[in-house]
Amino acid sequence: DAKTTQPPSMDCAEGRAANLPCNHSTISGNEYVYWYRQIHSQGPQYIIHGLKNNETNEMASLIITEDRKSSTLILPHATLRDTAVYYCIVRVYGNKLVFGAGTILRVKS
Amino acid sequence: EAGVAQSPRYKIIEKRQSVAFWCNPISGHATLYWYQQILGQGPKLLIQFQNNGVVDDSQLPKDRFSAERLKGVDSTLKIQPAKLEDSAVYLCASSLGMVRDFGDTQYFGPGTRLTVL
Repeated sequence: DAKTTQPPSMDCAEGRAANLPCNHSTISGNEYVYWYRQIHSQGPQYIIHGLKNNETNEMASLIITEDRKSSTLILPHATLRDTAVYYCIVRVYGNKLVFGAGTILRVKS
Repeated sequence: EAGVAQSPRYKIIEKRQSVAFWCNPISGHATLYWYQQILGQGPKLLIQFQNNGVVDDSQLPKDRFSAERLKGVDSTLKIQPAKLEDSAVYLCASSLGMVRDFGDTQYFGPGTRLTVL
């Protein structure tokens, strides 16, 4: 399974953009990059996913490097409610999600 | 659209007792997953169903854990007998498509928090 590397924690000021990096240097050509987040005492929440191109939805933007070895999740205007653990996952065949430890994002006022 | 439903939300049992968790996936979703999340760790897949068949149960401790999805809709996960190390949150997720669909998204329920004393 392709492994991902994320910083253990990050801080962000409320109203500023939060940029969460992820390294996935062993990713294969047909594997997607998925981002989920988990707010305390809740189940993981889907944010966004991508294969090669950059993606944007109502929650976030996903920037994938041309060589696909790393990506960045961008929350354009972070709020206190965005405080959560953010998981970057490379989707393997069979729809399996292999979660790592994730990044704890703390949004501060 | 209703999300993934799970019950109970919380359960406290003594070790060696049995316990069962229930999951109702999003309507029409073919694939259902059970994950175990120990405090401080990311979720770990226990078992994956496609309709009513098991696709992957390689991480399920089969001496004490069992799961079924008899009619291809809702599912139950059972632990018998429970051990202290089974204390965790048990998450159910579902996805619309089939195993071969790389871009298929999983949606998670709120989880059941199990405490084994």
